[in-house]
Amino acid sequence: DVKVTQSSRYLVKRTGEKVFLECVQDMDHENMFWYRQDPGLGLRLIYFSYDVKMKEKGDIPEGYSVSREKKERFSLILESASTNQTSMYLCASSLRYSTGQSKRGYQPQHFGDGTRLSIL
Amino acid sequence: AQSVAQPEDQVNVAEGNPLTVKCTYSVSGNPYLFWYVQYPNRGLQFLLKYITGDNLVKGSYGFEAEFNKSQTSFHLKKPSALVSDSALYFCAVRAPSGGSYIPTFGRGTSLIVHP
Repeated sequence: DVKVTQSSRYLVKRTGEKVFLECVQDMDHENMFWYRQDPGLGLRLIYFSYDVKMKEKGDIPEGYSVSREKKERFSLILESASTNQTSMYLCASSLRYSTGQSKRGYQPQHFGDGTRLSIL
Repeated sequence: AQSVAQPEDQVNVAEGNPLTVKCTYSVSGNPYLFWYVQYPNRGLQFLLKYITGDNLVKGSYGFEAEFNKSQTSFHLKKPSALVSDSALYFCAVRAPSGGSYIPTFGRGTSLIVHP
C-alpha cells in the first residue's frame, strides 16, 4: 500500500515564524500535492509538483512556497506565518498524469493524514 | 474550466436505509470521476472511480456510484447505511485531455448515519 507520511499531526506556531511542513511518500510517485482544507471550502490546491525541482502554483499559492529536492519528499513552507493560515494541510501523491487514455491518467491520489496547523 | 458541485452540505440517513450523496460536474470531454472518504482526523481515502465502460461503478466498503452523462452526475450510493459510514465525502473530476489535468474537488458532504 502507498504510504504518505506527514511529519506532524499537530503544530502550533507564532505569527511571523517561518514554518516547514514535510511530506514523504514511499511509492516512487512523480506527482505530489499540497492542499489546505477549511470547513465549507473543501480542498484548495496550494502547490503541485510533477517531478524533482518542478512546481506549479495551485489556486492559493500566496504566502506559501514549496521545495522538492528528492522525488519522495515535498515540503511546504510558510514564509511568514499569519493567523489566516491556521488550517488543516493535506499532502497527496499520485503517478504522473498524462493526456488521453493512458492508464496512468486516472490513477487516484493518495493522501497523508494531515497536519493541523495553528498560528497564534 | 472544470468544476464539481456537491449540493448538500450534510446528508442524514437512518442505519439500514439506502443512502445517496450527490455530485454533479462540468468538464470538457469525457471525465475521470472519483469519490473519496475522510474520517475524522484522517486524510482522504480513495473509494471508487469512473473512467469508461459501465455506468455503475462498485468500490470499497459496499459503495457504488452511478455515472449519468446526460445529467453530468456521479452520485454515490449504498443500499444499506452503517453508522460507521458517517464521514465526509468528496467528489473529484479530472479531464483526460485539455483543460486542467489536476483533479478538482467538491466542497464535501458530511454523511451522518443515525442508529
